[in-house]
Amino acid sequence: QKEVEQDPGPLSVPEGAIVSLNCTYSNSAFQYFMWYRQYSRKGPELLMYTYSSGNKEDGRFTAQVDKSSKYISLFIRDSQPSDSATYLCAMSGVSSGSARQLTFGSGTQLTVLP
Amino acid sequence: NAGVTQTPKFQVLKTGQSMTLQCAQDMNHEYMSWYRQDPGMGLRLIHYSVGAGITDQGEVPNGYNVSRSTTEDFPLRLLSAAPSQTSVYFCASSSQGGEQFFGPGTRLTVL
Repeated sequence: QKEVEQDPGPLSVPEGAIVSLNCTYSNSAFQYFMWYRQYSRKGPELLMYTYSSGNKEDGRFTAQVDKSSKYISLFIRDSQPSDSATYLCAMSGVSSGSARQLTFGSGTQLTVLP
Repeated sequence: NAGVTQTPKFQVLKTGQSMTLQCAQDMNHEYMSWYRQDPGMGLRLIHYSVGAGITDQGEVPNGYNVSRSTTEDFPLRLLSAAPSQTSVYFCASSSQGGEQFFGPGTRLTVL
């Protein structure tokens, strides 16, 4: 069993839809939770970063972490064709004061149709 | 700032050949790492470094060597390439506790 499970999709939605992306994990030591966006043939770029449980909002994006259920989500409101990309969840259990080794999900490919 | 740069962008090797993937960053980051990305597998950590002269293994280190002689550079060496090493390789860097910035990747094919 992988430490981090992510539905690979592909996921296709109409423009303006609300998108929900999810990951589950098994390692209770994970404390830092991230979502990366990766456009085709590009490197991943950090989209959202959350420490421990709770919600974080940034514009059209909301990240949720439920450590009791070992479940994290990314919501995209009013999705746009420019949101079409692969979304990767990533997690780390190392403290912020030292090296951070990320464990990634396999990524969900999202297409937003005009 | 150029950020994280990687060379080459593409490479084709024959089984048994060796090569070095280059990675450089100009942000004075202490932490650098190498990942490989395979379909359905996400990114997996190969090796990482917390500073010049200090390296350690990640999840999938076999067949790869690294060294860190300067803060800026973190090359990844394939000693004897195998078809199983066909992948997209990403280098990343971060300050201590900071966001990891990824390079554009190197697409490697081993025949």
